[in-house]
Amino acid sequence: EAQVTQNPRYLITVTGKKLTVTCSQNMNHEYMSWYRQDPGLGLRQIYYSMNVEVTDKGDVPEGYKVSRKEKRNFPLILESPSPNQTSLYFCASSFEPGELFFGEGSRLTVL
Amino acid sequence: KNEVEQSPQNLTAQEGEFITINCSYSVGISALHWLQQHPGGGIVSLFMLSSGKKKHGRLIATINIQEKHSSLHITASHPRDSAVYICAPYFHNNDMRFGAGTRLTVKP
Repeated sequence: EAQVTQNPRYLITVTGKKLTVTCSQNMNHEYMSWYRQDPGLGLRQIYYSMNVEVTDKGDVPEGYKVSRKEKRNFPLILESPSPNQTSLYFCASSFEPGELFFGEGSRLTVL
Repeated sequence: KNEVEQSPQNLTAQEGEFITINCSYSVGISALHWLQQHPGGGIVSLFMLSSGKKKHGRLIATINIQEKHSSLHITASHPRDSAVYICAPYFHNNDMRFGAGTRLTVKP
């Protein structure tokens, strides 16, 4: 089954404790991206990747890192999480250009 | 500056009504996505279009590149269409922005 898998789905952590949210797709898509969704602000793009070893900043990249060492994986790294990074995070992938396939979302709370 | 305006913010309709949601953007784009988000939170891509019109079942999406405007239409609306609909232009500099979303409620 074609899918985008995010882990963890739910996470509560504390300020400063490094964490990684994984994203994996099984559709051989070139394009992968990360978004955050906040009440009143909607969806915003954090980072995207056009292919392996090619990543670029989106609208709100501050406080985040990404890497694209393999085509199927695009992890989102929070080196030192802060409470303002409490959010609902989505990963998505597509052929470029093409229909976006979204993961189920990861709800992160930073205390 | 890459900006997106979506209207209306909220929309309540009776089952069977024709629905239109509008999206305008500020500068040139290479494509535009229409997304659907159900109360459970999952996001589904409805359409990606760069010109003209696309139809899938009761959903129709149109785009006018010169006018910088896109519309999503739902014919014969049904309560299961109740969701948040979001437009997402993909700008020429690979920047993707999102409309604020339209919360649609269809009453039986």
